[in-house]
Amino acid sequence: DAGVTQSPTHLIKTRGQQVTLRCSPKSGHDTVSWYQQALGQGPQFIFQYYEEEERQRGNFPDRFSGHQFPNYSSELNVNALLLGDSALYLCASSEQGSYGYTFGSGTRLTVV
Amino acid sequence: KQEVTQIPAALSVPEGENLVLNCSFTDSAIYNLQWFRQDPGKGLTSLLLIQSSQREQTSGRLNASLDKSSGRSTLYIAASQPGDSATYLCAVGYSGAGSYQLTFGKGTKLSVIP
Repeated sequence: DAGVTQSPTHLIKTRGQQVTLRCSPKSGHDTVSWYQQALGQGPQFIFQYYEEEERQRGNFPDRFSGHQFPNYSSELNVNALLLGDSALYLCASSEQGSYGYTFGSGTRLTVV
Repeated sequence: KQEVTQIPAALSVPEGENLVLNCSFTDSAIYNLQWFRQDPGKGLTSLLLIQSSQREQTSGRLNASLDKSSGRSTLYIAASQPGDSATYLCAVGYSGAGSYQLTFGKGTKLSVIP
């Protein structure tokens, strides 16, 4: 049974560019949450998607947006990249109403 | 706003030693508390989940306790091994704006020396 799959694993972008990260949830999971983890820090909650809608959002600017598809997979988009956006981006899936989160291995984004 | 603090930030111990990692949180209105392990550059692996009504959970050499009223949790690792070297993250699960979310601490980086 595949867990959470994230792509790409690594990415290098130039300041000002736009990036899209992808996440396929674990089979049977319908809720996707995105986290940003800067070096040496704990993961910070970006937003959560359920039923193709953003249900909750952390303290991140509008440059961060997302989408969930009918098959529950999700995308995270970041516009106008800043050097400070360099981080490991983690996707976690869960079943609505459940506390059990399964995390992917993350996408390492480097902005130069 | 829920805040989670982990002490110490880093810990180095000789193989075989028992050790304790600490986690504290500011708002006791939580659903649960989880401990995760993170290897360098990797995702998170769930180790233990303690429901708010529970006092402790055990899995193999790991034991986690929860004192919700004082806002504290500890992760006890018995007979540490070099393979235990990783960053250990504590996360509290609570209701934020009507839906369940996790707030993490910054982690404790553990090195077990052979």
